[in-house]
Amino acid sequence: DSGVTQTPKHLITATGQRVTLRCSPRSGDLSVYWYQQSLDQGLQFLIQYYNGEERAKGNILERFSAQQFPDLHSELNLSSLELGDSALYFCASSVHGRGTATDTQYFGPGTRLTVL
Amino acid sequence: DQQVKQNSPSLSVQEGRISILNCDYTNSMFDYFLWYKKYPAEGPTFLISISSIKDKNEDGRFTVFLNKSAKHLSLHIVPSQPGDSAVYFCAARESGTYKYIFGTGTRLKVLA
Repeated sequence: DSGVTQTPKHLITATGQRVTLRCSPRSGDLSVYWYQQSLDQGLQFLIQYYNGEERAKGNILERFSAQQFPDLHSELNLSSLELGDSALYFCASSVHGRGTATDTQYFGPGTRLTVL
Repeated sequence: DQQVKQNSPSLSVQEGRISILNCDYTNSMFDYFLWYKKYPAEGPTFLISISSIKDKNEDGRFTVFLNKSAKHLSLHIVPSQPGDSAVYFCAARESGTYKYIFGTGTRLKVLA
């Protein structure tokens, strides 16, 4: 158990809908990262927050948005869903947001999103 | 354009032998490299890392080698154990950023 929690574990929805994925970081971690893993793909970095502020942005679609709240939990909002958005979405956290060996990213178990 | 490539989707090794997992990258601005291990139904877990100023880092049975001129890194596991069976991802960080680029993973199977 990494200490990072993600809810829900599974989500099935229809095209055109909007969903919210939630992540609670490990106690004491200030930074949250979001990743998308599609079938046969590596983890695609979406976005990173540090202490409530956006710190780095990857290949995140305009239909997707995220935020980190004062209690440090984070939400990833996916709207106008398409079939291709079906994927595993991982959240990770680290203390300072460096993601190095001394500031490791701890990953949650992921949310599996299925868009029908 | 895949900046971090793991060209072998799978690898099978006998228990006790060496496992070598490879990773190639194209971006010379990467300054930090990591390996993660992932079991089914779990998130990836950090395994070992290396800075671009080094060419080798060792941690127990795990050693990572970096060849900057070839833009290649490898993970050696010696001796391999059945519990090492997992998907291994290499990742690279862009210098001056907090962005991490992951490879597509290699599924390692260690046969007892």
